Amino acid sequence: DGGITQSPKYLFRKEGQNVTLSCEQNLNHDAMYWYRQDPGQGLRLIYYSQIVNDFQKGDIAEGYSVSREKKESFPLTVTSAQKNPTAFYLCASSGVVGQPQHFGDGTRLSIL
Amino acid sequence: GENVEQHPSTLSVQEGDSAVIKCTYSDSASNYFPWYKQELGKRPQLIIDIRSNVGEKKDQRIAVTLNKTAKHFSLHITETQPEDSAVYFCAAEDSGGGADGLTFGKGTHLIIQP
Repeated sequence: DGGITQSPKYLFRKEGQNVTLSCEQNLNHDAMYWYRQDPGQGLRLIYYSQIVNDFQKGDIAEGYSVSREKKESFPLTVTSAQKNPTAFYLCASSGVVGQPQHFGDGTRLSIL
Repeated sequence: GENVEQHPSTLSVQEGDSAVIKCTYSDSASNYFPWYKQELGKRPQLIIDIRSNVGEKKDQRIAVTLNKTAKHFSLHITETQPEDSAVYFCAAEDSGGGADGLTFGKGTHLIIQP
């Protein structure tokens, strides 16, 4: 979906380093989400935000942090506390929670 | 929280035959059930969805059925084509006051044999 842009496409993290994944949308959607996908697994919800300046933990929030200072942007920080960060990270947005979610192209994070 | 089980994990069908993928959910408050198709290394794309106030929805070769009593919903693809080969994910969500995002099944790898 051209309305959701994730960057970078590939990211490498060193031990003890925090890294931030970018997600921007121009769809005027209120709700935004971060998911993690591991090989052979479904998508697991990390954090979601229903509105600016508000966000909630999903099923696997430990080791991650987010902010929602602008409607268009929902960056995800993978902290050094996340011991197994290698995965495919997908950002999504919807008009509001409960409406169809549309995904970005994802960021593939690996450990150096 | 919600738990979504999806079967089978791999499904191989002959081109032109039908494919059926089944999901069950645990939370009776869930009322929104989308299906996504994901090709290798790409984003999931919404292909069809259904809400709990209807029992069936169809879009060309794709249909979804929902049985609220049994907490069961299924994806049906008819006249399968090579481009249908992908991983398909079901999901469930409570879009009401308890809304907390989608819970996904683990996916079904659909292989269309020529």
